[in-house]
Parts: sequence; structure tokens; C-alpha cells
Amino acid sequence: AQTVTQSQPEMSVQEAETVTLSCTYDTSESDYYLFWYKQPPSRQMILVIRQEAYKQQNATENRFSVNFQKAAKSFSLKISDSQLGDAAMYFCAYRGFRGNQFYFGTGTSLTVIP
Amino acid sequence: EAQVTQNPRYLITVTGKKLTVTCSQNMNHEYMSWYRQDPGLGLRQIYYSMNVEVTDKGDVPEGYKVSRKEKRNFPLILESPSPNQTSLYFCASSPLAGTYNEQFFGPGTRLTVL
Repeated sequence: AQTVTQSQPEMSVQEAETVTLSCTYDTSESDYYLFWYKQPPSRQMILVIRQEAYKQQNATENRFSVNFQKAAKSFSLKISDSQLGDAAMYFCAYRGFRGNQFYFGTGTSLTVIP
Repeated sequence: EAQVTQNPRYLITVTGKKLTVTCSQNMNHEYMSWYRQDPGLGLRQIYYSMNVEVTDKGDVPEGYKVSRKEKRNFPLILESPSPNQTSLYFCASSPLAGTYNEQFFGPGTRLTVL
């Protein structure tokens, strides 16, 4: 089974600064999808950004961007100009190309300091 | 509005009393899935379904049952709940094919088994 590892249980960042959350994964597949989800205190799971493994270009969504290193099996999330509303639990997730199972990391709790 | 709904949102029950958590989606998604979220463990997949009458085990299926008789519904059944099934449960759905295959999550069900 694939595994997804988030080695930072907690992170903090000053408002307006930049923070990077780490994620590594283990797979033998060549095609797959990677996601970052945000879970605020409301517990709702919200998609932040996604990356298809066959695309070399790193995905970007406004202040959120990823650093996808396929050979290293690394998928980090960079949050620029951090805002108080970014405070949440962040989960990295993997889905194989056939789309049958999803695998999530254990999460990183992000605190934004005013 | 496109959404995944779960009911109930909160449930307190006793050991051994059968319960069902309902899940419904209105996006005509083929894929549906159940997860449990526990502190320090992230989200773990319980069961998933690729389409009507097609279900398969995820990583933690013991003590749970599912059925997929209609495309929109995917109930989670606990035949004899035990305290170790106290958790936060999420239902999710996604299309199987196409570029946008991230999962859409329900609001979660907080289950306590006494």
C-alpha cells in the first residue's frame, strides 16, 4: 500500500510571512495524483491544491503553490503572505491513477501568529 | 448546490447498538468513500465504492459494513459498535475519470460509543 508521510505535526508562521509544509509519499506507480486539503476548526475538508504526476509544472493557486519533486517523491506546500484564515490542519493525500484508494498523511497543524 | 450530505452530524450511542450513518451526493459521482479521522492518525479509508453494487475494503474495514444500491447513496453501517469506533467520520465522493478527480467531502459525523 502507498504511504504518505507528513513529518511536521505542528508548524507556526507569522502573519504575512511564508511557510512550507512537507509531504513525502511512497509508490511504485508512475501516474498518480497528489492533493493538499485544509481542515479549519469547522472540520470541513477543503481542497487547497492538486497536482497530476505527469505534469512537470508545479501547481499554483493564488497564495498556495507546491514543489513537486517526482524522483524524490516529495510534494511540499508553500503558503505565501500567510493570513489568519490559513490557520488549520493541512493534509497531504495521494490517489493512484486507477483511482481506487486514497491515502492521507497524518496532518500538519498550522498556527498563524498575528 | 453540489454537495455531500451526512446524517446524523453527531451521535452518542452505546456498545452493541446497531447504527447507520447515511451519506448522499448530488453530483452523479461514481466513486464514494468513507474515512475515519483520529488524532495523530490522519484520515484512514474504511470502504470505498467505484460504482453501484461495487464496494471494496480500505485500510480499516473491521467492524463496518457498506452498501451501494443507488449511485447517490453510500451508507455506513456499524452492526455492533464498540468504544474503539469512537471517531470523526467523513463521507466523500469524486468522479472516476477526467482531470478533476479530487474528492468532495461531507461535513463529518462525530460518533461516540459508550
